[in-house]
Amino acid sequence: GAVVSQHPSWVICKSGTSVKIECRSLDFQATTMFWYRQFPKQSLMLMATSNEGSKATYEQGVEKDKFLINHASLTLSTLTVTSAHPEDSSFYICSARDLVRGGHNQPQHFGDGTRLSIL
Amino acid sequence: LAKTTQPISMDSYEGQEVNITCSHNNIATNDYITWYQQFPSQGPRFIIQGYKTKVTNEVASLFIPADRKSSTLSLPRVSLSDTAVYYCLVGDGGGYQKVTFGTGTKLQVIP
Repeated sequence: GAVVSQHPSWVICKSGTSVKIECRSLDFQATTMFWYRQFPKQSLMLMATSNEGSKATYEQGVEKDKFLINHASLTLSTLTVTSAHPEDSSFYICSARDLVRGGHNQPQHFGDGTRLSIL
Repeated sequence: LAKTTQPISMDSYEGQEVNITCSHNNIATNDYITWYQQFPSQGPRFIIQGYKTKVTNEVASLFIPADRKSSTLSLPRVSLSDTAVYYCLVGDGGGYQKVTFGTGTKLQVIP
């Protein structure tokens, strides 16, 4: 079945650095991917919709200059947390749908998430 | 986007059948109902999806009444490994349609 892979799975870095997270669809093409953030004991919160070859669409309250999204190919979207601070520490998850094989009612496939800790 | 409401938490003993109900009163005609399972520090995993009536797969059943304003996920004979958070999502199935997660239901299976 469709697989979505995230890398890295876990990262610790100092405050002020930028961190890039990759999301890959391993066996299907994804023109659209979604990025979520999840704080401890909370639900997933949609941050943005990543569109291949065009600008991402950000949810209200999400700073687009803080969370840079690049979707340069049909199998890869990246999320860069710029000048990260401790409050950016969270669990980041991406998802995508295999629309080619599955059709319009295909559920989303999620990556296993990236645990980001900013010291 | 249709909003969903689920119980925050449930407890069940091993071997019992667990039913988790989700309310989605403003579900649209084109919306499908999808359930996901999430373990700590992992991404959500697809369990089952349906549009109306009953759907069954190897791990669960999904019951959807005629008015589609609610749905019930049924897990037969749960084990300790079924302890997780279960999310009910509603969306139109359109490939580019974003979905919003509700609070989810934290299921604790007790030995």
